[in-house]
Parts: sequence; structure tokens; C-alpha cells
Amino acid sequence: NAGVTQTPKFQVLKTGQSMTLQCAQDMNHEYMSWYRQDPGMGLRLIHYSVGAGITDQGEVPNGYNVSRSTTEDFPLRLLSAAPSQTSVYFCASSYGQGANTFGSGTRLTVV
Amino acid sequence: SQQGEEDPQALSIQEGENATMNCSYKTSINNLQWYRQNSGRGLVHLILIRSNEREKHSGRLRVTLDTSKKSSSLLITASRAADTASYFCATADTGAGSYQLTFGKGTKLSVIP
Repeated sequence: NAGVTQTPKFQVLKTGQSMTLQCAQDMNHEYMSWYRQDPGMGLRLIHYSVGAGITDQGEVPNGYNVSRSTTEDFPLRLLSAAPSQTSVYFCASSYGQGANTFGSGTRLTVV
Repeated sequence: SQQGEEDPQALSIQEGENATMNCSYKTSINNLQWYRQNSGRGLVHLILIRSNEREKHSGRLRVTLDTSKKSSSLLITASRAADTASYFCATADTGAGSYQLTFGKGTKLSVIP
């Protein structure tokens, strides 16, 4: 099992560009989440999904969209990148009320 | 907003010593989880303790939970250089799932060989 796979690992965007961060898990986990981590901070929840076709907002959803068409995939879309979105993005999946498995992250810089 | 606050923010110890990190939170919780993050890497789950539990062990790790004080502690015994990392506590609020974690800012642990 690969666990949670995030691509790309690094990305540089210009202000106003859009992009999609990919996240895939092969553990048949029902729950998936996106977090961002800024320097010196813990992770903050952007969006989450409790199953295919069901998504909801977390603490910091503005500027991001998500969809979940399959159990395995949970892409995060930046609609119009801003320097404030420079961060490290982590995808996580879990089953029931259990522990989360995290991906290795995508380091995004918006210039 | 950050729920948990870890204390201390940074901790430096000699190999073989014990390391204790504390976490305080603000709301009623379902469970509390501890994660480790090596520099520039993803988070690794260490231990989960449910709101009706007071103590859990896993190898060299011991976690306690005091819901009346809204606090938890992580003890790493006989530390090793490989334990050098940042440690985060994360809470799943009552009524929320473990997919909606609220993280603290973390404790940066340095274990000196």
C-alpha cells in the first residue's frame, strides 16, 4: 500500500494562476481532509470529505475548492493564487474515529 | 483558530533522558491525538487517546489526558537522536470527526547525542 500520495511535491505559481493539488489514498478510507501549515504554526483545516460526493468547509476554506468523485481521490483547487496561499499543504485520510494518515505534503510558493 | 497550545515551544535534552510535552485545549473533545513531524516531512501518527481514557502507552510513549483540566501530556522515555522532531497535539471536538482535527503549534524537540 502506498498510503496517501500527494502530487506535486513542489510548485511555484504566479499570482492569479490556478492549479490543482492532487491527493490519492489506497486504504479505502472514507474520510479525507486538506490542511495547510504555515511557518511556526500547526496545521489548519481547509476542507474535508466524509465520502464520495460529500465535502464541507474547514477553518480556512476561502480561495480553495474541492470535490470528491471517488473514494480514492480528493483534489484541492486553487482558483486564483495569492501570495497568502504560500504554504505547505497536507492531505490526510482516516477511517472511523481513528488516526489520520498524512501525505508527504506539497510545498507551494505564490510569487 | 488554534485549539491546542503545546508547552514548551522548544525542548533540548541529552540522549537517554526523558522528554515531556504538554498540550492544553479549549473545548469538549472526542479524542486527542499526538503526531510527529520530521523537518520538511509529513506527519506521523503516534497515539490516540479517547475522552474516556486517562492514560495510554505505546512503546516508549506515554500519553495522559485530563479532561477536567483540558490538558494532555506526552512522555518519551529514554530519548534517542532519532526522536528529534516537532510534536503536535490535535483534538477532534465532540460532535466532530477525526477528519476535522484542530492542531496546536507544536513542540520542537532536539535530542543531543
